[in-house]
Amino acid sequence: SQQGEEDPQALSIQEGENATMNCSYKTSINNLQWYRQNSGRGLVHLILIRSNEREKHSGRLRVTLDTSKKSSSLLITASRAADTASYFCATAGGFKTIFGAGTRLFVKA
Amino acid sequence: ETGVTQSPTHLIKTRGQQVTLRCSSQSGHNTVSWYQQALGQGPQFIFQYYREEENGRGNFPPRFSGLQFPNYSSELNVNALELDDSALYLCASSGASGEYNEQFFGPGTRLTVL
Repeated sequence: SQQGEEDPQALSIQEGENATMNCSYKTSINNLQWYRQNSGRGLVHLILIRSNEREKHSGRLRVTLDTSKKSSSLLITASRAADTASYFCATAGGFKTIFGAGTRLFVKA
Repeated sequence: ETGVTQSPTHLIKTRGQQVTLRCSSQSGHNTVSWYQQALGQGPQFIFQYYREEENGRGNFPPRFSGLQFPNYSSELNVNALELDDSALYLCASSGASGEYNEQFFGPGTRLTVL
């Protein structure tokens, strides 16, 4: 079973626009992570936010976490064609990392 | 590119056969996790190895087994292959077993079961 549910499942935007992806999860977490995957290849870790943090930034990425609503969002600002990929949220509890089904982002040049 | 490598890149097997997938961890990493990713889905946790011992397991049957070697490379073995085992298999290494440690993923092995 998958812990996180991303929304939307797919997103198509123009280059330069912002992209927002949301993630909801079911159980208590210690941290939440966002990953990126290009064309069914390996995942790349983007950012980790701990349960006692509400917002975190990394370059053009902004992640928020609302533990009361069990939800997180990933904002990519000023998107580029190279941002086209699948984005996954993942929650970690102990040794286990549980991924959602992902949001497929397509950025048109 | 991470320092994690996987072999082979692609593999085709028939139902009932056995398969071994290999993973070389990033230098200095002692923890390896394996994931199964079906088409259009997120990765599903299979198990994790820490210093050659299985450290935890997801909801996969015993025909999924693994090994970690003294150099921290790892194998995933799947016996009695089923059609539903067709997927991308990913390994990820990290510097320790703790949940705050970033995982570095390999490029994956695409397994097709006919």
